Amino acid sequence: QSALTQPASVSGSPGQSITISCTGTSSDVVGYKYVSWYQQHPGKAPKLMIYDVSNRPSGVSNRFSGSKSGNTASLTISGLQAEDEADYYCSSYTSTRNWVFGGGTKLTVL
Amino acid sequence: QVQLVESGGGLVKPGGSLRLSCAASGFTFSDYYMSWIRQAPGKGLEWVSYIKSNGSNIYYADSVKGRFTISRDNAKNSLYLQMDSLRAEDTAVYYCARGQSGTAFFDHWGQGTLVTVSS
Repeated sequence: QSALTQPASVSGSPGQSITISCTGTSSDVVGYKYVSWYQQHPGKAPKLMIYDVSNRPSGVSNRFSGSKSGNTASLTISGLQAEDEADYYCSSYTSTRNWVFGGGTKLTVL
Repeated sequence: QVQLVESGGGLVKPGGSLRLSCAASGFTFSDYYMSWIRQAPGKGLEWVSYIKSNGSNIYYADSVKGRFTISRDNAKNSLYLQMDSLRAEDTAVYYCARGQSGTAFFDHWGQGTLVTVSS
């Protein structure tokens, strides 16, 4: 199972919006609604930010939103804040009853 | 509150074995499926293994199939990963993570335990 494809890095200024893409295949992103996104600060464990493509767990800011079109899922962060600077990973359940992650995207808040 | 605490990591030689544990608290452990997910130094996340809430279904990534064994003891609220025939490429921080039945995401993660495979 190949990793999902994410851009290595994205950046934005405080207050701006950014979008991170996550491209998969018919065996994962296309075939299932089970795309999730995780935020990871350096030296910390990942934190769930979005599940089932577009749902936010309680406690996660509504500045984070998710969507999917075809083979690409997206995470959008609006009103960028310094604390959003972190690595972001997408994940999808797959047809082989596995999970696959993206390679990760480093978000820099300028 | 939900807590997942991994232990058992360390330095091991290639070909050696190690057993990781994950102690769960703050929730009904037997109601949740569990997974191990690893992260090599400076790299991304890689899913390793899954075990259903009652242990009846188990899956592995191809990279560890035949070498790693996942198990759980619901009476002890504990998850395990027996790692045999370890290779340098198994060097990583290993996280245990929780998922709710009927879903496919991990809503709580432990802090991780580092496994280093080196001679």
